[in-house]
This record gives sequence, C-alpha cells and structure tokens, in this order.
Amino acid sequence: SQTIHQWPATLVQPVGSPLSLECTVEGTSNPNLYWYRQAAGRGLQLLFYSVGIGQISSEVPQNLSASRPQDRQFILSSKKLLLSDSGFYLCAWSVGQGAGELFFGEGSRLTVL
Amino acid sequence: AQSVAQPEDQVNVAEGNPLTVKCTYSVSGNPYLFWYVQYPNRGLQFLLKYITGDNLVKGSYGFEAEFNKSQTSFHLKKPSALVSDSALYFCAVREPDTGRRALTFGSGTRLQVQP
Repeated sequence: SQTIHQWPATLVQPVGSPLSLECTVEGTSNPNLYWYRQAAGRGLQLLFYSVGIGQISSEVPQNLSASRPQDRQFILSSKKLLLSDSGFYLCAWSVGQGAGELFFGEGSRLTVL
Repeated sequence: AQSVAQPEDQVNVAEGNPLTVKCTYSVSGNPYLFWYVQYPNRGLQFLLKYITGDNLVKGSYGFEAEFNKSQTSFHLKKPSALVSDSALYFCAVREPDTGRRALTFGSGTRLQVQP
C-alpha cells in the first residue's frame, strides 16, 4: 500500500533563517506531488505541484521554492523565512493519470518567530 | 477559474440527528468533487468523490454526498451524527477538462456534534 511521510512534524525557526521540509511517498511510482499551506486551521492554499522529476509549477509568488530531486521526494524550501510563512504545511500525492483524489501527509507545523 | 464555497463556518448538531454540510462549486466544465475531513493537527483524510454517474455518492464512515448539477452543489450528509464526527470538513473541486490535477479547496466547515 502507499504511504506518505512528512518531516519534521513541528519546527520553530527565527525570521531570516532557512527552511527545508521534506516529503516522500512509498508504494507508487511517478505520482503527482503537491505542497499546500493551511493558515489558521482553515482553508488550504496550493503552493506548488509537480508531475515529474524536476517539473515544478508554482501557484503563487512567494518566499518559498520547491524541488523534486527524485520521483517520490518533494522538498519545500526557503532561504530566509518571514513571519508570514508560519502555518501548517501539507504534502499530498495523487496517481499520475486518474480521477484525482489527493492523499495527504500528516503535515508540518512551522512557527516563525 | 474553479472555486468552491462552504457557506457555513460551523455546523452544530445533536448526536443521533442527521447532519448536512453545504458546498457549492463554480467551474466552466464538468467537475470532479471531493470531501475531506481533518482532525486537529492532522492531515486531511479522503471521504468520498463524485466523478460521474449516480448523483448520490457513498463514502467512508457512513457519509454520503449528493451532486446537484442544476444547483451546482455537493452537500455532505450523514443520517445519524456521532460525537466522533466532530472535525473540520473540506469540499474540493477539480476541473479535469483543463488538465489541472490539483484540487481547489473550500474554506472548511467545522462540525460540532453534541452528546
């Protein structure tokens, strides 16, 4: 069966420090991968998605970047964090060609101080 | 552009009563529609989806949803609520004709089931 792992689960970082959140999927190949951010326990905002290695689409201009160095690995990064980067970050995957439900990881809670 | 509206921030229902969580959508073509549930500090769990066919879709934990094309709605329902159903519920839409694979989510509805 397929599983998705995100880490770290929680992170407290000072303003201006770098960020790296990692997500890996097991049990499937060539998944679509997504990063969403959830602010204040409410709606989800799509940040990035990827349909293959090295293929990244950005939904909103921001202080973050994403990379997909391997088929089942998706990394969210920042060189210098802002206070507004605080939130709950969710990685998700879906079957490459399919009806499209997403399967989510357990999330990474980032607090920028 | 595709969008989803969840008009209620919170829904309160007594245990054993039926529940409905509302969702309306806006797309230019045929929608794929989804419901997810989120418990505190957890990721989202998939409940059910509508792709095509029967307008009444059954999903996990006794939930179901009805697709209504004329009203552009996809309300989530359950005949008898449990206290353990208390959580945050998200409706989401995908417009497959555009080739876009990501889902667009509503703002969420908090369901509170009282004992």
